[in-house]
Amino acid sequence: GESVGLHLPTLSVQEGDNSIINCAYSNSASDYFIWYKQESGKGPQFIIDIRSNMDKRQGQRVTVLLNKTVKHLSLQIAATQPGDSAVYFCAENIGSGYSTLTFGKGTMLLVSP
Amino acid sequence: DSGVTQTPKHLITATGQRVTLRCSPRSGDLSVYWYQQSLDQGLQFLIQYYNGEERAKGNILERFSAQQFPDLHSELNLSSLELGDSALYFCASSELHRADTEAFFGQGTRLTVV
Repeated sequence: GESVGLHLPTLSVQEGDNSIINCAYSNSASDYFIWYKQESGKGPQFIIDIRSNMDKRQGQRVTVLLNKTVKHLSLQIAATQPGDSAVYFCAENIGSGYSTLTFGKGTMLLVSP
Repeated sequence: DSGVTQTPKHLITATGQRVTLRCSPRSGDLSVYWYQQSLDQGLQFLIQYYNGEERAKGNILERFSAQQFPDLHSELNLSSLELGDSALYFCASSELHRADTEAFFGQGTRLTVV
């Protein structure tokens, strides 16, 4: 759902579960997407990116899926760990020339031991 | 540690005042981005500099300005501060000017306007 103020969408999982975080992006012309992780008190940290000519990209324990038809992006985290607890943002490149990123509101992931 | 240094970490100031936030990018990075993160607006892109020149502008108010110096550090100047300017301000740096190169964020400056 949409986040309003402090009310970020929250996903609560158990340690060892797989997590899926979803993002609906806004612009059908966007051609580059990034997932960022932000831990409490820290700046956003790059996790994984994907270009619009791909449907899927895998990293270490993370997979990003892109569905351009419905403008949807997802981040899958395998074997979620307590250290994965953070706010996760998707970002899309909307501006011309790949200059700027527009961030989504974020989803909070809470991992219980 | 991302390698991006922001100072100060915290800043409390009164309405109407002016403050300067400072950012030192990672060694070798030519591009600096400034973002504002507030509870109700999320992470908003403000402005980008690349090798001393303004490269892209986002939702930056006219009361705000930035510059990038020859040594590549950047400053964000916020003037005539209002309560609504209270937020976290992040600086990020990347090697190139393109958004499809990995950007590294600093720890942020928390600005509180009272």
